[in-house]
Amino acid sequence: EPEVTQTPSHQVTQMGQEVILRCVPISNHLYFYWYRQILGQKVEFLVSFYNNEISEKSEIFDDQFSVERPDGSNFTLKIRSTKLEDSAMYFCASSDGQVSTEAFFGQGTRLTVV
Amino acid sequence: AQSVAQPEDQVNVAEGNPLTVKCTYSVSGNPYLFWYVQYPNRGLQFLLKYITGDNLVKGSYGFEAEFNKSQTSFHLKKPSALVSDSALYFCAVRDGANSGNTPLVFGKGTRLSVIA
Repeated sequence: EPEVTQTPSHQVTQMGQEVILRCVPISNHLYFYWYRQILGQKVEFLVSFYNNEISEKSEIFDDQFSVERPDGSNFTLKIRSTKLEDSAMYFCASSDGQVSTEAFFGQGTRLTVV
Repeated sequence: AQSVAQPEDQVNVAEGNPLTVKCTYSVSGNPYLFWYVQYPNRGLQFLLKYITGDNLVKGSYGFEAEFNKSQTSFHLKKPSALVSDSALYFCAVRDGANSGNTPLVFGKGTRLSVIA
């Protein structure tokens, strides 16, 4: 069964450093998403991406964040200057864009900012 | 705007007993409703969805959910709980009036603990 894969599984970084979280969505999907979950809490939407541009973003997705699809398979989330409160589990998801279709989630990257 | 409420932070049930995890929603159009499960240190795994048709939908691992339009609810149920069902459960909604690109909106999650 096709799946969304994320790397790394765990990233520790110092405050102020830049991090890039990587995702490989399901190959025939066209819509990509990043969500965030702060330790055991609500899953929060960050950004959606289609046709090489951002479709929608939440208030959380400020200027420190950016997304990119650098090639035909990867989808990345960059945090420019990490803060302690960026520590969370980051999930990538993809879908085929049908309104009735579920989104498929990766296993997540646990980001720890120290 | 879409929203989901999961009124219980924690649900405890004895193994073999039926379980219910509650979810209510708010959308302006037709609701498309989803349940996901998260096991410890894992990602979100799709369980089931309601799009249209029969109000009782069946999903993975023996779970089912009942859509109730008048009560704007989509409670997750299982007739006989297993210890292995212990996990964090998330209800999510998408407004059917919007495009498929509209992100899912999640509830805060309910931790299910099944006791042997």
